Amino acid sequence: NTKITQSPRYLILGRANKSLECEQHLGHNAMYWYKQSAEKPPELMFLYNLKQLIRNETVPSRFIPECPDSSKLLLHISAVDPEDSAVYFCASSPRQISNERLFFGHGTKLSVL
Amino acid sequence: GDSVTQTEGLVTVTEGLPVKLNCTYQTTYLTIAFFWYVQYLNEAPQVLLRSSTDNKRTEHQGFHATLHKSSSSFHLQKSSAQLSDSALYYCALNTGYQNFYFGKGTSLTVIP
Repeated sequence: NTKITQSPRYLILGRANKSLECEQHLGHNAMYWYKQSAEKPPELMFLYNLKQLIRNETVPSRFIPECPDSSKLLLHISAVDPEDSAVYFCASSPRQISNERLFFGHGTKLSVL
Repeated sequence: GDSVTQTEGLVTVTEGLPVKLNCTYQTTYLTIAFFWYVQYLNEAPQVLLRSSTDNKRTEHQGFHATLHKSSSSFHLQKSSAQLSDSALYYCALNTGYQNFYFGKGTSLTVIP
């Protein structure tokens, strides 16, 4: 799926700070960050609609999202914890208020040393 | 609250035989949509089926599912499993406002 691009694809961190990036080329209004830990379904972290933060689930404060424009999404991570090891998916959908499907990016696999 | 239940964590089926993955739900919302997502190893989830119409069968890539609001179910079925169907399958409920509730997933393995 090249319509939602995420970078980097793989990330290995100690206690460093890093940012994950996502860009969607679908013209969608809603963008999401999901965390998928091993053998678990995707769990919503943040939802933006037209650059506004709409939902902010119970996420450690070391995760800070940013939406510089309606097609881009960033996730800043500081002082990672081993429990943060997971795949982080960016997703989008046409509108926030709808029953439409989510389109997922290929994910960033974060491994915390 | 709203929830989705997939009863089987692991399903193994022989190639060519039928397969059924169960999905039931609880919700108080009236305008809802259901999805089956498939996730192949090291890939992102992708939608397999979607339905929001009661008692209407929806099909894609040989899989089919029918939303039954009377029994709160949206089971996934295929008449003849293929080796390439081996993957993780998630049932998901969208209650509108893009509130997605994913089931815990079913790992399907198709053996020769």
